[in-house]
Amino acid sequence: EVQLVESGGTLVQPGGSLTLSCAASGFTFGDYWMNWVRQAPGEGPEWVANINQDGTERHYVDSAKGRFTISRDNAENSLYLQMNRLKAEDTALYYCARDPSRGYSYGYEDYWGQGTLVTVSS
Amino acid sequence: IQMTQSPSTLSASVGDRITITCRASQTISGWLAWYQQKAGKAPKLLIYEASSLESGVPSRFSGRGSGTEFTLAISSLQPDDFATYYCQQYKNSPYTFGQGTKLETK
Repeated sequence: EVQLVESGGTLVQPGGSLTLSCAASGFTFGDYWMNWVRQAPGEGPEWVANINQDGTERHYVDSAKGRFTISRDNAENSLYLQMNRLKAEDTALYYCARDPSRGYSYGYEDYWGQGTLVTVSS
Repeated sequence: IQMTQSPSTLSASVGDRITITCRASQTISGWLAWYQQKAGKAPKLLIYEASSLESGVPSRFSGRGSGTEFTLAISSLQPDDFATYYCQQYKNSPYTFGQGTKLETK
């Protein structure tokens, strides 16, 4: 059974930093593109970033470029999102999600974790 | 690419057939997915490539469309179907979602 378990969300002050983690199990983690998708309270999902199988290709939504870094450790079956210079508008539930492609990214997500909440507030 | 769903809210009854529309601001061919989300849960993939049913999803769900206009239909609503539905384009990064359609009990 595919499982994705996020952790690391917390209350952080504006301008602060935070790293989210996602532990994957039930599939060969290193075979798949992986994503971070966030959802602000009462809003629709927003795709944030993705990373290819060996970590050599990464893409970001404009609002995350220069502030967020997606990375992975295939030996540990883990995905990460390092977030710097956090803003109030980054407040959201952050989901780790798998792209179903074993080749190049399809762009949609077939499995999602339960999310970890990031609140940016003073 | 902007994705616009209509209606924002849809009231229906068990057994009804319903349709939700999603429009893209530019052509996305068939690179569209549909998700169902229930309160406090992660989105669940229903449809990909506009009309392909994800494994395990009931056949009462169907998707159609290409280019800029797409629809999600549920042929006979079941109690478990009352939820919020989102479309997502994956033609170009960033992969954008619609604002959602909340399906509620009439």
